Amino acid sequence: DAGVTQSPTHLIKTRGQHVTLRCSPISGHKSVSWYQQVLGQGPQFIFQYYEKEERGRGNFPDRFSARQFPNYSSELNVNALLLGDSALYLCASSLQPANTEAFFGQGTRLTVV
Amino acid sequence: QQQVKQSPQSLIVQKGGISIINCAYENTAFDYFPWYQQFPGKGPALLIAIRPDVSEKKEGRFTISFNKSAKQFSLHIMDSQPGDSATYFCAPRENQFYFGTGTSLTVIP
Repeated sequence: DAGVTQSPTHLIKTRGQHVTLRCSPISGHKSVSWYQQVLGQGPQFIFQYYEKEERGRGNFPDRFSARQFPNYSSELNVNALLLGDSALYLCASSLQPANTEAFFGQGTRLTVV
Repeated sequence: QQQVKQSPQSLIVQKGGISIINCAYENTAFDYFPWYQQFPGKGPALLIAIRPDVSEKKEGRFTISFNKSAKQFSLHIMDSQPGDSATYFCAPRENQFYFGTGTSLTVIP
């Protein structure tokens, strides 16, 4: 039974570029959340999507955007990359936005140079 | 994240010993209290979780103790093993997870 799948696993981008990260949730899960984990810190909430609708947004600039597709997979987009965007980006999958367990993927390690 | 304070920052325990990690929170609207385990280069893995109507939950060597009035919950790892060496995060939830700063646990053989 496949867990949460994220791609790519590693990525190196240059300042000012754009990046798209992808997440496939666990089969049957309809809610996807994105978190940013800077080295040495706990993950911080970026977005939550449920049934293709945005359900929550963290304190991140408008350079960050996301969407969820009919098959419940999701994309996180970051424009005009800054050095400070270097982090592990995590996707979490759950049946619903609340009242259920959430399972994380292994993340995408983004390095901005 | 300032809503959640996790301690200690690091912990070294002998094999077979008990590891205890604490989490204090401010938001009384949190409705779910999980602990996640994270190995280097991996995403957090759900270890054990508790809901606020229960004071203790045990799963194998792992126990959560929850004190609603004190707004604290803790993770106890009994008979700690070298394979338990990882970073542990408390992450109480109100819609989104609010992760603590993490505790780096090292279990010495």
